[in-house]
Amino acid sequence: KNQVEQSPQSLIILEGKNCTLQCNYTVSPFSNLRWYKQDTGRGPVSLTIMTFSENTKSNGRYTATLDADTKQSSLHITASQLSDSASYICVVSARSGAAGNKLTFGGGTRVLVKP
Amino acid sequence: EPEVTQTPSHQVTQMGQEVILRCVPISNHLYFYWYRQILGQKVEFLVSFYNNEISEKSEIFDDQFSVERPDGSNFTLKIRSTKLEDSAMYFCASRRETQDSYGYTFGSGTRLTVV
Repeated sequence: KNQVEQSPQSLIILEGKNCTLQCNYTVSPFSNLRWYKQDTGRGPVSLTIMTFSENTKSNGRYTATLDADTKQSSLHITASQLSDSASYICVVSARSGAAGNKLTFGGGTRVLVKP
Repeated sequence: EPEVTQTPSHQVTQMGQEVILRCVPISNHLYFYWYRQILGQKVEFLVSFYNNEISEKSEIFDDQFSVERPDGSNFTLKIRSTKLEDSAMYFCASRRETQDSYGYTFGSGTRLTVV
């Protein structure tokens, strides 16, 4: 069964500090890995998408890494801002069916940035 | 920036009643999806839709659920006889498969409360 596990479940950081979120997955056949930001009561918003051959990808202060051999990914947030407070969800896509890929979601890491 | 629009944002219904959740995907997208998120749990895949038919569905998507694309713009999820456990946030997503992009766009969701 395809699974995506994230750690930690939650963390609190001070504004301006950095943090790193972890994601481990067992999804097959692997297509790509995404990181989403989800504000409470809202839909997920894409931050990064990485395919098998990509090791790192940045989007502003967000940098994602992917190790396809160990099936691990991380999301690094640099110089955190109050607006970074949200859940960050690791989502892995498996090739599936005529509609392309099916997404498997992790449980998310809830980040709270304090002033 | 194009958006996926979902209505209503919040629906309260009595157990056993039928509900229809509505979505307007991005106009040039070809693949459509419904996901749900029970409070405090992971986002789960329900169904994918392509070329006017269901491409894939999960175990959750039983006979009580159906999807339709009644015209060129709307994509609906119907729950025939709602149960308490159907209470969740329902997200519609759409995607246009291109060679360079695997981007899903999610709507803001409909919070369904079954009482």
